[in-house]
Amino acid sequence: AQKVTQAQTEISVVEKEDVTLDCVYETRDTTYYLFWYKQPPSGELVFLIRRNSFDEQNEISGRYSWNFQKSTSSFNFTITASQVVDSAVYFCALSEAGYSSASKIIFGSGTRLSIRP
Amino acid sequence: GAVVSQHPSRVICKSGTSVKIECRSLDFQATTMFWYRQFPKQSLMLMATSNEGSKATYEQGVEKDKFLINHASLTLSTLTVTSAHPEDSSFYICSARWGGPTDTQYFGPGTRLTVL
Repeated sequence: AQKVTQAQTEISVVEKEDVTLDCVYETRDTTYYLFWYKQPPSGELVFLIRRNSFDEQNEISGRYSWNFQKSTSSFNFTITASQVVDSAVYFCALSEAGYSSASKIIFGSGTRLSIRP
Repeated sequence: GAVVSQHPSRVICKSGTSVKIECRSLDFQATTMFWYRQFPKQSLMLMATSNEGSKATYEQGVEKDKFLINHASLTLSTLTVTSAHPEDSSFYICSARWGGPTDTQYFGPGTRLTVL
């Protein structure tokens, strides 16, 4: 069975601090996707990244970076120099990959991030 | 990027009535659509998977007679909450799968249902 664990329920930091959101996953699939989504108070999900299980390279996009460690089944997300606009709930998620797959996305429980001015 | 819309964005109804929520892929044909439910301060939970022209596949614990899903075309799926009760109040989000080269899912903006 697939499972995504986000152990941090809530995190609060002061603006400009770096913050890392943890994500650990479980799957028996050999090919899968990992995702991070942002959900601001409006409720609409904002796609941040999708990573294929074959690609363990770390990714950087502006102030955002992701660390994929297949050996520890982790896909952590770091925001550097955090800003108040980063305040939101962040979800890590997992799905089977491949056109023949059902492609259901399984979400973690989310981490509520609050950035204080 | 591709766009998925949901209508209505908010709905308030009386207990016992039925509510229909539409999910449309505006600029692509969706091979599969998914319906999720999110209670306040909780995660998104998959309710069902629907493929155009066939019956939806419901997740364990989701009542298929209460949550009717119709996927009549490659761009439209509807979720009908029948005989709604206050405990059905939730945020309902759909996603549409585009089976193109990137095989990507796109999420709708969500529908907030409040049952009085």
